[in-house]
Amino acid sequence: GENVKQHPSTLSVQEGDSAVIKCTYSDSASNYFPWYKQELGKRPQLIIDIRSNVGEKKDQRIAVTLNKTAKHFSLHITETQPEDSAVYFCAAKGRTASKLTFGTGTRLQVTL
Amino acid sequence: EAGVTQFPSHSVIEKGQTVTLRCDPISGHDNLYWYRRVMGKEIKFLLHFVKESKQDESGMPNNRFLAERTGGTYSTLKVQPAELEDSGVYFCASSQEGGLTDTQYFGPGTRLTVL
Repeated sequence: GENVKQHPSTLSVQEGDSAVIKCTYSDSASNYFPWYKQELGKRPQLIIDIRSNVGEKKDQRIAVTLNKTAKHFSLHITETQPEDSAVYFCAAKGRTASKLTFGTGTRLQVTL
Repeated sequence: EAGVTQFPSHSVIEKGQTVTLRCDPISGHDNLYWYRRVMGKEIKFLLHFVKESKQDESGMPNNRFLAERTGGTYSTLKVQPAELEDSGVYFCASSQEGGLTDTQYFGPGTRLTVL
């Protein structure tokens, strides 16, 4: 089955700096890669996703890149703000299954 | 629109007891998923309903876990008897059948503590 690895597990950046979180996946048939943000005590919320027919997607300060050959995808947050502090999860979905396979999460701390 | 709701938000029970978690998906969503996050680890898939049918239950850890979705609306997940290793946060998610995206919308989770 699919196996998703995520790093780093914790990341501390200063406000205004960029943050990058990286994930790798094992199943070359996976075709959908969402990123979820979970603030303390709240539900995981989808912040951006990318499909296997696209190499990059951007939404304001957030971007995701996908390298199908290397089987890795990354989340980039620019001009970080304190409200970006949260746990971020990457996930992958196979072509024939609906379930998401998640990484272990990255705790991002944006300091003033 | 109302999001996915889960009840209770927290549950503390003793080993050997029974607990039932409930999930109400977004209205009209045929797909309903259960996931679990054990302390500090990844969110792991448990099972997937399409309407009232179990589409994939490959993630269910053992036969102490029973999920139902009678009528294809809300779902329950019963743990009987609960063991210490069942502690964690149980998430429910839902998505549209045949929708334009695969987006799964998550509920706030039920934090289960087994003592």
